[in-house]
Amino acid sequence: AQSVTQPDIHITVSEGASLELRCNYSYGATPYLFWYVQSPGQGLQLLLKYFSGDTLVQGIKGFEAEFKRSQSSFNLRKPSVHWSDAAEYFCAVASYNTDKLIFGTGTRLQVFP
Amino acid sequence: DAEITQSPRHKITETGRQVTLACHQTWNHNNMFWYRQDLGHGLRLIHYSYGVHDTNKGEVSDGYSVSRSNTEDLPLTLESAASSQTSVYFCASSGGGGSYNEQFFGPGTRLTVL
Repeated sequence: AQSVTQPDIHITVSEGASLELRCNYSYGATPYLFWYVQSPGQGLQLLLKYFSGDTLVQGIKGFEAEFKRSQSSFNLRKPSVHWSDAAEYFCAVASYNTDKLIFGTGTRLQVFP
Repeated sequence: DAEITQSPRHKITETGRQVTLACHQTWNHNNMFWYRQDLGHGLRLIHYSYGVHDTNKGEVSDGYSVSRSNTEDLPLTLESAASSQTSVYFCASSGGGGSYNEQFFGPGTRLTVL
């Protein structure tokens, strides 16, 4: 069965520091992978997605993610975090032709000035 | 601009009452989804629809029902609300039609069952 694991429940970083949020997936075929961000009291916004091709994908707000098939990972990175990046981040996987998403449990990012 | 809306944004109800949460999208999307978000569980799929008169059960469908009478709306009904259904509920829609289509999410409804 498909599943997504986000091992870090809560991460705290200083503003300006680099960030990496971990995501591991379990899926039989080539997965469609996504990162969403949820600001407090808001809905979910798509940061980036991977379908195929180049394993390093660029998203909005300066985020990027790298697909590593050998490690079943799709980690999210940002070189320099801003205070406005404080939010909850969800990794998700979708199966082909269904649009159904399976989400990880999320990572809450806190940013200190 | 096209959008997806949910109402009410907040709801408090009592155990045993029937509750209906509304979801309306103006994207003209075929696919619509309902999720619940709980601490430690992320978002879990409740029900989904691939078109008018089509409905399907998701991972956590017990105690919930949906119906799709038009393209724009997918109301979620809790037949007899339970305290375990206290949660934040998100509706989403996507275009459908093969391959993968990005899901667009509504702002959510916070439901409290006392």
